[in-house]
Amino acid sequence: AQSVTQLDSHVSVSEGTPVLLRCNYSSSYSPSLFWYVQHPNKGLQLLLKYTSAATLVKGINGFEAEFKKSETSFHLTKPSAHMSDAAEYFCVVSNRDDYKLSFGAGTTVTVRA
Amino acid sequence: DTGVSQNPRHKITKRGQNVTFRCDPISEHNRLYWYRQTLGQGPEFLTYFQNEAQLEKSRLLSDRFSAERPKGSFSTLEIQRTEQGDSAMYLCASSDDTGLAGWETQYFGPGTRLLVL
Repeated sequence: AQSVTQLDSHVSVSEGTPVLLRCNYSSSYSPSLFWYVQHPNKGLQLLLKYTSAATLVKGINGFEAEFKKSETSFHLTKPSAHMSDAAEYFCVVSNRDDYKLSFGAGTTVTVRA
Repeated sequence: DTGVSQNPRHKITKRGQNVTFRCDPISEHNRLYWYRQTLGQGPEFLTYFQNEAQLEKSRLLSDRFSAERPKGSFSTLEIQRTEQGDSAMYLCASSDDTGLAGWETQYFGPGTRLLVL
């Protein structure tokens, strides 16, 4: 069975500084990996996904993530945080022959002015 | 582009009452999923449909829960004899397993927040 572990439950950054959200995965097969963002009172929005093409994946709003098989990691980064990035972020894994997504517990990002 | 919609957005009920939630997926998406999200946790898979067929149910889905997708379009999730432990956000998602993005690219609705008193 596949699973993900988000290493930080909460990350606080200053506006304009880099953001790093860490995610490790466990999967018996070659996984697909995703990052979703959830703003208060809004639905989950897909930021980016990895499906075995380039290991560096670019997403929306300036986010990117790097797939490292040797480290079983899929960390999310953004070079310069904006106030609008304050939200809950979820790392997600699927085994492509499976039927469901498995979510991490989430990382809450706060951005200080 | 109309995304996934869910109704109601909020529901407060008393323990023992029945509740029903509705999900309208993105049109032409053949897959529809239900997830449950409790406070401080990520969403957990409950069940999914391919067209009108319910193909998988999680062990989280007790006998009090039932889901339907009668014509392969909208879906309903009913909880009978609600318990306080059912309080959660219920999320619906849809995807198109015939498209380039594949079934894994799921689009989520805003959720229905249930509070059982």
